[in-house]
Amino acid sequence: AQSVTQLDSHVSVSEGTPVLLRCNYSSSYSPSLFWYVQHPNKGLQLLLKYTSAATLVKGINGFEAEFKKSETSFHLTKPSAHMSDAAEYFCVVSARNFGNEKLTFGTGTRLTIIP
Amino acid sequence: DAGVIQSPRHEVTEMGQEVTLRCKPISGHNSLFWYRQTMMRGLELLIYFNNNVPIDDSGMPEDRFSAKMPNASFSTLKIQPSEPRDSAVYFCASSPASRSYEQYFGPGTRLTVT
Repeated sequence: AQSVTQLDSHVSVSEGTPVLLRCNYSSSYSPSLFWYVQHPNKGLQLLLKYTSAATLVKGINGFEAEFKKSETSFHLTKPSAHMSDAAEYFCVVSARNFGNEKLTFGTGTRLTIIP
Repeated sequence: DAGVIQSPRHEVTEMGQEVTLRCKPISGHNSLFWYRQTMMRGLELLIYFNNNVPIDDSGMPEDRFSAKMPNASFSTLKIQPSEPRDSAVYFCASSPASRSYEQYFGPGTRLTVT
């Protein structure tokens, strides 16, 4: 079985300050992990992915995430928040690198940016 | 590319009525997924298809829900009869064969059953 836990349902940061969205995972297999972003009234968009290559992965819009097996974590970070980053962020786990189309989504973290 | 297309964008119907949601995946993608999103339950996978064949429908809540994919460019999700608890945003997503985790989502259909 596989699951993800997003530790914060809501995060608020000031524009220009760092962003940290936390995610812990549980997986019976070597996991593939992803972050998706959902802007208001839009569908989800893939932000970045970890598939057993480099543990620090970079995504779009300056976001990055680090896979830490010892901590079973995959936290999402960004050095400096922008107003356009305001959205819902989902941590996602898949049991295998390829071939397993069934993704398990976390409950989401709503990111608010304070001007 | 126009991306994943869903119709209608909004649907309001009365309890007991049949509802049909439509999806056109991105051309060339061979996997298609139907999700439901609610505040209470988050994002749930209902069913997915590979090469037009249903692979896993374990997420379909009950027999009132059915999904079809008659060809590579079209899929429907039908609810008959609809109930108020079916109110949610329904997303369709598609992915290419080699990167099944890289799902491209449509804008969703907001369904309200009164």
